[in-house]
Amino acid sequence: DAKTTQPTSMDCAEGRAANLPCNHSTISGNEYVYWYRQIHSQGPQYIIHGLKNNETNEMASLIITEDRKSSTLILPHATLRDTAVYYCIVRALLYNQGGKLIFGQGTELSVKP
Amino acid sequence: GAVVSQHPSWVICKSGTSVKIECRSLDFQATTMFWYRQFPKQSLMLMATSNEGSKATYEQGVEKDKFLINHASLTLSTLTVTSAHPEDSSFYICSARGNSLMNTEAFFGQGTRLTVV
Repeated sequence: DAKTTQPTSMDCAEGRAANLPCNHSTISGNEYVYWYRQIHSQGPQYIIHGLKNNETNEMASLIITEDRKSSTLILPHATLRDTAVYYCIVRALLYNQGGKLIFGQGTELSVKP
Repeated sequence: GAVVSQHPSWVICKSGTSVKIECRSLDFQATTMFWYRQFPKQSLMLMATSNEGSKATYEQGVEKDKFLINHASLTLSTLTVTSAHPEDSSFYICSARGNSLMNTEAFFGQGTRLTVV
């Protein structure tokens, strides 16, 4: 699985958009970009994933650059409950290629009042 | 999303005893389950991958005789920490994935905090 690079920490004001970047310059053609978050002392929570097109769901938007070497997770209106560690992970597409989720250090997002 | 439940949420045990942690997929069949360990202020570290009905595959450096994994059904996997010692104190998290041919997102349990005294 490709390695990802994320900033160690970020701050965001409550109500503003939180933009979390991720570099994955060695991503392969069969690898998706996944985002999870972990609130303190809980299991990780799935947020969103994508291959090359931008994706949006009720939680967030995922913007993937055209060369797929980086992506940005956008929380459009951050709340205090969005304070968590956010993990960007790249993973093989197909089930029979393993698809293990290998976690890096993630970005610790602090949403402040 | 799908629900994965771990039990217990926390456990305290004496050094030298064994502890079993259960991971259940409540509303889907989990062909593959993953076990992670997380120390304070660190990221999740994958310990092993288990497929229903077969032996688990352990990551490098993880002792298979110490961390026994059983995945006997499509909805249940167990992790047994044998002869636990204080250095085994950690947050243990399981993850389960469905059995479609295409990749699906993995869902995580709420974690089990093990304290060995």
